[in-house]
Amino acid sequence: AQTVTQSQPEMSVQEAETVTLSCTYDTSESDYYLFWYKQPPSRQMILVIRQEAYKQQNATENRFSVNFQKAAKSFSLKISDSQLGDAAMYFCAYRRRQGAQKLVFGQGTRLTINP
Amino acid sequence: DVKVTQSSRYLVKRTGEKVFLECVQDMDHENMFWYRQDPGLGLRLIYFSYDVKMKEKGDIPEGYSVSREKKERFSLILESASTNQTSMYLCASSSTNRDKSYEQYFGPGTRLTVT
Repeated sequence: AQTVTQSQPEMSVQEAETVTLSCTYDTSESDYYLFWYKQPPSRQMILVIRQEAYKQQNATENRFSVNFQKAAKSFSLKISDSQLGDAAMYFCAYRRRQGAQKLVFGQGTRLTINP
Repeated sequence: DVKVTQSSRYLVKRTGEKVFLECVQDMDHENMFWYRQDPGLGLRLIYFSYDVKMKEKGDIPEGYSVSREKKERFSLILESASTNQTSMYLCASSSTNRDKSYEQYFGPGTRLTVT
């Protein structure tokens, strides 16, 4: 069975600085997706960024980028120029590319932005 | 914009009651999911459905059942609520369209308290 581990329950960063959230996963599959989802306080979960395992290039979405290390089964999220609106729970998630679309989530990291 | 709605944001029920949580999506998505979210555990899949009247067990189906009579609606049923089912429940939907199948869209969640 696939598992996803986020070892940082809480992180904090100063506004405008950079922070990296860690995620490791375990799978025997070779083709899969990895995701970072954001859940702001009292608001809906939204997709931040996704990575397809067959792509070597790390995904980037504006201030958000990932460091995907397939051999190490590591998938970290870097947030540059942190803003107050980035404060949220962040979840790392895994999904097989083929077959059932169910997601396997990590435990979550609560990110606080200090003004 | 994809919209996933859930019938209640907050719900308080008594032990032994039958509880219905409703989820509706407006994007004609084939797949729908029910997760529960608990601190330190992340999101765990309860049930999912890939078509009307079809359902599959997730990782923690015990004590729950589901119903999908129409494509847009997916209901989670707690046959006899217990205090250990106090949690946040999140519904999600996704498309099987090859170009769009990577993202799940989430509802706002229902915080259920069983007393």
